[in-house]
Amino acid sequence: GAVVSQHPSWVICKSGTSVKIECRSLDFQATTMFWYRQFPKQSLMLMATSNEGSKATYEQGVEKDKFLINHASLTLSTLTVTSAHPEDSSFYICSSQTGGNTGELFFGEGSRLTVL
Amino acid sequence: RKEVEQDPGPFNVPEGATVAFNCTYSNSASQSFFWYRQDCRKEPKLLMSVYSSGNEDGRFTAQLNRASQYISLLIRDSKLSDSATYLCVVNKAGNQFYFGTGTSLTVIP
Repeated sequence: GAVVSQHPSWVICKSGTSVKIECRSLDFQATTMFWYRQFPKQSLMLMATSNEGSKATYEQGVEKDKFLINHASLTLSTLTVTSAHPEDSSFYICSSQTGGNTGELFFGEGSRLTVL
Repeated sequence: RKEVEQDPGPFNVPEGATVAFNCTYSNSASQSFFWYRQDCRKEPKLLMSVYSSGNEDGRFTAQLNRASQYISLLIRDSKLSDSATYLCVVNKAGNQFYFGTGTSLTVIP
């Protein structure tokens, strides 16, 4: 199956710093990348949908200035959590689809962010 | 109303038991349906796609009922390794995916 590589897997940072998470599609062109956040014992919550070469579409309640998304190429999308605070601590996951019609989503490995 | 409703459980079953999960969706125009498995602190991984005719993969059987707008997953002869959270995912069209809250399963020795 298609592979989405996400980095870093774990990150611990101080409050007020910014953290960048990268997702790369290794064997297909990811025109669209979905970014999710998952708090403990809760389901995935879609934060935003990024499209290569254009601005991301953010879900209601997600601050675009706090969660900066860049999708400059067909194989790389990044999420930057700016001025992170403890309440931003969460599991962040990206996913994408291949160009086929299966509809299947391929997920990155996830990034666990802990803000002290 | 949520796009996808799923019983969060938890389901605690003994080894060898049969367990079934259901998931309902609200939009009749939904096109594709999936069951994903998510282990603790890991990303979701596709378990099965769900087809109108129903499909089976070993101990796992998935079914879709478009008239009643629900999908189901049946696990027979549960193994300890089946312990995980099972997510139903509905694709309405193109980029629109909706996730259930996930059903937690623990298989007990």
